[in-house]
Amino acid sequence: EAQVTQNPRYLITVTGKKLTVTCSQNMNHEYMSWYRQDPGLGLRQIYYSMNVEVTDKGDVPEGYKVSRKEKRNFPLILESPSPNQTSLYFCASSFGSGRAGKDTQYFGPGTRLTVL
Amino acid sequence: SQELEQSPQSLIVQEGKNLTINCTSSKTLYGLYWYKQKYGEGLIFLMMLQKGGEEKSHEKITAKLDEKKQQSSLHITASQPSHAGIYLCGADWKSDYGGSQGNLIFGKGTKLSVKP
Repeated sequence: EAQVTQNPRYLITVTGKKLTVTCSQNMNHEYMSWYRQDPGLGLRQIYYSMNVEVTDKGDVPEGYKVSRKEKRNFPLILESPSPNQTSLYFCASSFGSGRAGKDTQYFGPGTRLTVL
Repeated sequence: SQELEQSPQSLIVQEGKNLTINCTSSKTLYGLYWYKQKYGEGLIFLMMLQKGGEEKSHEKITAKLDEKKQQSSLHITASQPSHAGIYLCGADWKSDYGGSQGNLIFGKGTKLSVKP
């Protein structure tokens, strides 16, 4: 089954404790992206990756790191989480922006993170 | 992003009524995406529009793209409780060379409630 998986789905942590949220897709997609969703602010892009070893900042990259060593995986790293990073996080993937007919972005189920 | 405005922010309709949600971009669009989200869950792709005047339908949901206005409308006919959720539009803006800018920016969403 074609899907984007995220782990963990729920996480409660404390300020300053490094954490990683994993994202994996099994569709051989080139493009992957991380978003956070907050009430009143909507869905905002954190980082995206057009291909392996190619990553770019989105709208709100501060406090986050990503890596793309393999095509299927795109982990989101919070080196020193703070309470303002409490949010609902989504990973997404697609074949690639601009390729007509194959631009559908598939979203993961979300990771609800609480930083105390 | 304020560069992508959705209206209305929320909508409550009686079952069986028609409704329209609008999405207006301040930048030139390369592609416009519509997604639906159940509360707290991942986004489900509805449709993508690229050409001016293009119109696509998915069951009772129709979306149109007005290239001149850089605006898209999503119309639901004979709404049902299953249509309830958050509808988000996503913009893939045109780059300086005319292609895709490479990432997707979302509106804040429209929360739809359908009263039985």
